Amino acid sequence: GESVGLHLPTLSVQEGDNSIINCAYSNSASDYFIWYKQESGKGPQFIIDIRSNMDKRQGQRVTVLLNKTVKHLSLQIAATQPGDSAVYFCAENMDSNYQLIWGAGTKLIIKP
Amino acid sequence: DAGITQSPRHKVTETGTPVTLRCHQTENHRYMYWYRQDPGHGLRLIHYSYGVKDTDKGEVSDGYSVSRSKTEDFLLTLESATSSQTSVYFCAISGRDTQYFGPGTRLTVL
Repeated sequence: GESVGLHLPTLSVQEGDNSIINCAYSNSASDYFIWYKQESGKGPQFIIDIRSNMDKRQGQRVTVLLNKTVKHLSLQIAATQPGDSAVYFCAENMDSNYQLIWGAGTKLIIKP
Repeated sequence: DAGITQSPRHKVTETGTPVTLRCHQTENHRYMYWYRQDPGHGLRLIHYSYGVKDTDKGEVSDGYSVSRSKTEDFLLTLESATSSQTSVYFCAISGRDTQYFGPGTRLTVL
């Protein structure tokens, strides 16, 4: 079936370095993608989104890249800080009733 | 979490008892969702609503029912709780594409 998945379940990054979290999707009809951050004990928090007519979008310290040719999505976090420690989810929207298909999540660990 | 509240935040109950979780929004969004989150499974959709009295099933709807009598409230009911329903439950809302989440309810069924 169609799915959104993540390449790595855990990512350890040195504080101050850049982080890259990857996500693969299988449905070429998907037209909207979202990254969420979930801190321990909290609900998922919207970070950034991108539509299929774009290949890059930037926010504050975050950039999302979309490669439709290989159905790949990535989240780049610049100058990673301790507060970036969390689980990051990608999600895919592909139909008219606004349901999201979720990846399993990647845990980002920041090393001091 | 702004504009979305869930109650209760924590609940411990016994197998076989009914449980109702409440989601309340102040954003006047049309869509509301109930998810459960378990280790190793990420977020799984239980039910969703696309308007007052309009609801539909998600991928893990067995054992759950929902109701939406007002735009701002979406209730999730476990008619007879089982230990497999021990989980963290999240409500989400959306006006269009992006979903915004509440703080969650941690439910333990003994």
